[in-house]
Amino acid sequence: NAGVTQTPKFQVLKTGQSMTLQCAQDMNHEYMSWYRQDPGMGLRLIHYSVGAGITDQGEVPNGYNVSRSTTEDFPLRLLSAAPSQTSVYFCASRSMRQGVWTGELFFGEGSRLTVL
Amino acid sequence: AQSVAQPEDQVNVAEGNPLTVKCTYSVSGNPYLFWYVQYPNRGLQFLLKYITGDNLVKGSYGFEAEFNKSQTSFHLKKPSALVSDSALYFCAVRDRMDSSYKLIFGSGTRLLVRP
Repeated sequence: NAGVTQTPKFQVLKTGQSMTLQCAQDMNHEYMSWYRQDPGMGLRLIHYSVGAGITDQGEVPNGYNVSRSTTEDFPLRLLSAAPSQTSVYFCASRSMRQGVWTGELFFGEGSRLTVL
Repeated sequence: AQSVAQPEDQVNVAEGNPLTVKCTYSVSGNPYLFWYVQYPNRGLQFLLKYITGDNLVKGSYGFEAEFNKSQTSFHLKKPSALVSDSALYFCAVRDRMDSSYKLIFGSGTRLLVRP
C-alpha cells in the first residue's frame, strides 16, 4: 500500500534552474496539496487541487506552478529556483467523500530542496 | 482570518509523567481541529481530530485532546509519556465557515521525552 509517493527525496539546484517535484497517490483521493515546511513556521500551503483539472492557490503560491491532469498525480513546478525556496516540501492528499472537511490528510515523506 | 498558535517550541518531560502540548486557535466561526505528529525524516501522521460532539477526543498511541471553546484551545495530552513519543507535533485548524479548502498549521512543538 504505497499511499502518497514523492520524488525526488533530495535535490540541489542552482539559482535560476527549473525542476518538478513529483507526487502520486494510489488512494483515489480527490484532494491533493503541496506544503512547504520551514523551521519555526510550520507548514504553509502552496497550492491545492480538488480534482482533475481544478487547482487553486494557497498561502504562498508565488514561484510555483501546479497542474492536475489525473486524479493520481499532482506535480509541483519551480520555474526559476531562488534560495528562498530552499525548504522541505510535502505533498498531502485526502478523500472528500467523507464530507467537506472531516477527513485526515495523508502525507508523503517529503522532498528536501536546496537552492544555491 | 484563521490562525493557530503553539506557544512552546519545545516541551521536555520524563518518561512515565503526563505530557501536555498546547494549542490555541482563532477562527471566525466554529473550528475543525486536528493534531499531527512528525517523526524524524518522515511525513506528518494524523493523530486525532475534533469535529463536533464530545469535547474530549481520543486518538492514536494513547493521545487525547480537549476542545475548550471559551479558551479557544485544543491541547494535546497523554497520561504517561514514552521515549518513543519524542517527535514534532503540529496543531491545525479550519474554520467551518471558510469556503476554501485551506487547513492552517501551527509552527510545531518538539516533544522530548527523557528516559
